Amino acid sequence: DAEITQSPRHKITETGRQVTLACHQTWNHNNMFWYRQDLGHGLRLIHYSYGVQDTNKGEVSDGYSVSRSNTEDLPLTLESAASSQTSVYFCASSGIGMVEQFFGPGTRLTVL
Amino acid sequence: AQSVTQLGSHVSVSEGALVLLRCNYSSSVPPYLFWYVQYPNQGLQLLLKYTSAATLVKGINGFEAEFKKSETSFHLTKPSAHMSDAAEYFCAVSPSGSARQLTFGSGTQLTVLP
Repeated sequence: DAEITQSPRHKITETGRQVTLACHQTWNHNNMFWYRQDLGHGLRLIHYSYGVQDTNKGEVSDGYSVSRSNTEDLPLTLESAASSQTSVYFCASSGIGMVEQFFGPGTRLTVL
Repeated sequence: AQSVTQLGSHVSVSEGALVLLRCNYSSSVPPYLFWYVQYPNQGLQLLLKYTSAATLVKGINGFEAEFKKSETSFHLTKPSAHMSDAAEYFCAVSPSGSARQLTFGSGTQLTVLP
């Protein structure tokens, strides 16, 4: 079955380290999104992509970057992890003509 | 600009009772509206969506929601709660059109009491 996966599911890192969270979908969806979930804030958009080589900043993009070299993957990189980036990160995708997004299982990141 | 307000961060109901989760939105353009459910340690699952067709939208697991433009509301209801409905529920809005960015509310944790 087609699906969207995230890895790792749990990650502990130290302040200042670079961290990359993987997102992979097998639906061949053009559109991919990264959100972070924090208590009391719901989910907030970090970055999104509407296709290969396309990336856009979301509401809370500072300290994060993405690149889209193929349809299936949108890795999220924290250039220099900060304690404020401790959160649960969700990747989502959506196909052409779709209005809803499909979410991955999430990655819980702790920055010490 | 868009925003979503979910009234009540925690809602408790008895098993078999009516579930009502409130969502009000603000949007400068005609919106699409969504309800997602999140079970513990899982991703979000779409319950239902409004895309400017019928104002009463039926979703999975017996949930439904009614779009009321005059009240800028999209409340989620279910006639009879089950224990399995205990989860966190998120209302979200996007501009009409496909694959637009979602703006989420802060979520409502639903507890179902035996």
